[in-house]
Amino acid sequence: AQSVAQPEDQVNVAEGNPLTVKCTYSVSGNPYLFWYVQYPNRGLQFLLKYITGDNLVKGSYGFEAEFNKSQTSFHLKKPSALVSDSALYFCAVRAPGYSTLTFGKGTMLLVSP
Amino acid sequence: NAGVTQTPKFRVLKTGQSMTLLCAQDMNHEYMYWYRQDPGMGLRLIHYSVGEGTTAKGEVPDGYNVSRLKKQNFLLGLESAAPSQTSVYFCASRGLAGGDALTGELFFGEGSRLTVL
Repeated sequence: AQSVAQPEDQVNVAEGNPLTVKCTYSVSGNPYLFWYVQYPNRGLQFLLKYITGDNLVKGSYGFEAEFNKSQTSFHLKKPSALVSDSALYFCAVRAPGYSTLTFGKGTMLLVSP
Repeated sequence: NAGVTQTPKFRVLKTGQSMTLLCAQDMNHEYMYWYRQDPGMGLRLIHYSVGEGTTAKGEVPDGYNVSRLKKQNFLLGLESAAPSQTSVYFCASRGLAGGDALTGELFFGEGSRLTVL
């Protein structure tokens, strides 16, 4: 089985401040972890993924995520938020051998000017 | 590059009517998926396909049928629409070839907004 939790429905941050969007997962074995972003009335876009190796993964638009196996977490981070980062963010997990991806419920990120 | 294309983008149905959503991808991807997105529920997998001629049930398959007669197309059908099927439907695809055989990311369409009255 595989599941993912995003504990925050919404995250508010001021432009220029660092942001963190939280994600925890549950799988048997080593997980494949993903972050996607959805802008209003659009499909989901891939941001970054962790498969193996370095626990800090860098992705699109200056985002990065840190894999923490002991805490079963994969938090999304950005050093300096932009108003244009405001969107809905989804964490997703796939267990080895699974064909399907399980998504979290999403976290709305609002960056104020 | 078109990527993943969904048609129609919007549709209003009456309870009991039937319809088909079409997903087409031009990336020669093996895997295709249909998700529905509802407020506060995230994305839930309806059905998926691991190759031409194959289909499998996801998390919420009831009330839906699918077909993958051609590799590039994945159809989602509603035989008798119900108000509970009001949602935004997303198709996604994933490739098989190369190093990302099991680790590749999904490519999503723009969504189809369905309202059942």
